[in-house]
Order: sequence, then structure tokens, then C-alpha cells
Amino acid sequence: KAGVTQTPRYLIKTRGQQVTLSCSPISGHRSVSWYQQTPGQGLQFLFEYFSETQRNKGNFPGRFSGRQFSNSRSEMNVSTLELGDSALYLCASSYGLARITDTQYFGPGTRLTVL
Amino acid sequence: DAKTTQPPSMDCAEGRAANLPCNHSTISGNEYVYWYRQIHSQGPQYIIHGLKNNETNEMASLIITEDRKSSTLILPHATLRDTAVYYCIGYQNSGYSTLTFGKGTMLLVSP
Repeated sequence: KAGVTQTPRYLIKTRGQQVTLSCSPISGHRSVSWYQQTPGQGLQFLFEYFSETQRNKGNFPGRFSGRQFSNSRSEMNVSTLELGDSALYLCASSYGLARITDTQYFGPGTRLTVL
Repeated sequence: DAKTTQPPSMDCAEGRAANLPCNHSTISGNEYVYWYRQIHSQGPQYIIHGLKNNETNEMASLIITEDRKSSTLILPHATLRDTAVYYCIGYQNSGYSTLTFGKGTMLLVSP
């Protein structure tokens, strides 16, 4: 079974621009979660989508948004980029079912650099 | 989700067993103990998880104490490719699929 894929793998943008990152989950998985990883803050949860609906959201400003399509693929968008948005952006997929355990599998990440 | 405590770093000689401890004294009855690892700048890799019983898979073994307040991840024959940050996470899927990562343990495997 193919793993979680993320595109692009690397991205360089300048302050004020916007960016869209893409994530394709493992086949059959309906939940996609997004995380940001920086050296200072570590791995932090951004938001989670399940069946095209945002189900949970972390403590990030409104510049960070996302969506999910009917095939469970997800995109996240960051508008008005700031230098501090430079990070590794990770997505993880799982079945998303309401059972006690539901393992999340991560993609390789997108390295965003804001100049 | 339970707060977990891990040593910031550990060393291991190649070929020896690596035993990574994790304290999770506030873990609740329905929370699983999950282990992930992250090799530099890659996405976290799922290793293993367990609730009460010891678990083993092709990557590692997980030993959970009877009171579930701590656990140990065992890599039986560490290789240089096992050098990574290892995260121990207490996780209960409440329908919101959110993992809370701490700082983890940096395991350095040396020749």
C-alpha cells in the first residue's frame, strides 16, 4: 500500500506571498491532519480534516487554512507569509474512525523557506 | 492526552540493544502508548503502540509496566540507521485524531 505523499517537497517563498501545500493520504484513510515543525516550537498540530470537514483546529492564526476533497486529498494554505512560517509541514493520515486507537501515518513533509 | 517524560538523549553502540524509557504517570485507562521516530528532517515514522500488554513487531518491542505509569521501547540490535529522535505519546482517539508531541529522546547509535 502506498504511503502518504506530500507535494512539493521543498518550497521557497518571499514574505507576503501565499503558498498551497498538498497531501494525498493512504488509500482508505479519510482523516488528514497537518502539523508544523520548527526548531523552536517542535511539532505542533495545525488542523484535522475528516470527510471534507474540519474536525479539529490547533492554535494558529487564520492565515493558516485547509480543505479536504471528496477523494480525501487535502491542501493547506498559508497566506501573507511571514519569516516565522519557515518550517517543515507534515501531514498524517488515518482512518479517522471513532475508536480508541487509530494510528496516524506521516508523509515526508514539505520544507517551506520564507525569505 | 497523557504528559510523557523522556530523557533528552541516549547513546547506544551498534549491534547492542537500545532501551528507551518513557514515563507517563498520568495516562488514563483508554490511552494507548505510541512510539514514533523521526530521522533528521523526515516525517515521523510509526514504530509500535500498546495498551497494557507487551507488544512486538518487526521494528521493536514495547514493554509497559503493570501500573502503566511507564514503558520502554526496545530496539534489539541497534544500527546506525536507528539514529533518530524517538517520541513517546499517550493517545486516545476521541474522534479528533490529534497527536501531542513532546521533545522526545535523541538516540545516537555509534559504531
